[in-house]
Amino acid sequence: QKEVEQNSGPLSVPEGAIASLNCTYSDRVSQSFFWYRQYSGKSPELIMSIYSNGDKEDGRFTAQLNKASQYVSLLIRDSQPSDSATYLCAVNPPNTGFQKLVFGTGTRLLVSP
Amino acid sequence: DGGITQSPKYLFRKEGQNVTLSCEQNLNHDAMYWYRQDPGQGLRLIYYSQIVNDFQKGDIAEGYSVSREKKESFPLTVTSAQKNPTAFYLCASSFGDRGDYGYTFGSGTRLTVV
Repeated sequence: QKEVEQNSGPLSVPEGAIASLNCTYSDRVSQSFFWYRQYSGKSPELIMSIYSNGDKEDGRFTAQLNKASQYVSLLIRDSQPSDSATYLCAVNPPNTGFQKLVFGTGTRLLVSP
Repeated sequence: DGGITQSPKYLFRKEGQNVTLSCEQNLNHDAMYWYRQDPGQGLRLIYYSQIVNDFQKGDIAEGYSVSREKKESFPLTVTSAQKNPTAFYLCASSFGDRGDYGYTFGSGTRLTVV
């Protein structure tokens, strides 16, 4: 079992819809979770982080964490064509006193006008 | 502005040649990392460094070498022992022991074997 799993997609949504991206992780005691957006040919950029169960909202983005079920999701409201990118989920494994993120392979999102 | 700079953006390597990718940060981050990304694949960790003069192998260190002589710099050498080096190489940095800030990535170096 991979440590961090994501559906590779593509996930296609029309402009204005809600895009829902999901990620599961294998280590129950993982501490912190991150969502990165990567445009084609570019480097990843951090868009959301979450550490506690529940929802965290930032503009059109909402991260949701459920540690009991070991999943973290990203919702993008009012999706725009500019949101078309690959979204990487990253998990910080149990505390070793040092941050060493484990990345999923990413979900490709396509937002059509 | 603080950031992390990778150079060059594109690099071409001949068979049997060693090449060095540069990574410099002015974020005062303690930790630095090198990842490799192949088309359609996730990020794979090559090497990481928690502090100056110390570094550890990641999951795919064979054929690569690094140094960490300064806090700001973490160059990666792709040696001739790396049989399939064509990939997108990403350098990242973080506060290391503060797990809630995530990584900052450089803009990447695309390496091609010719």
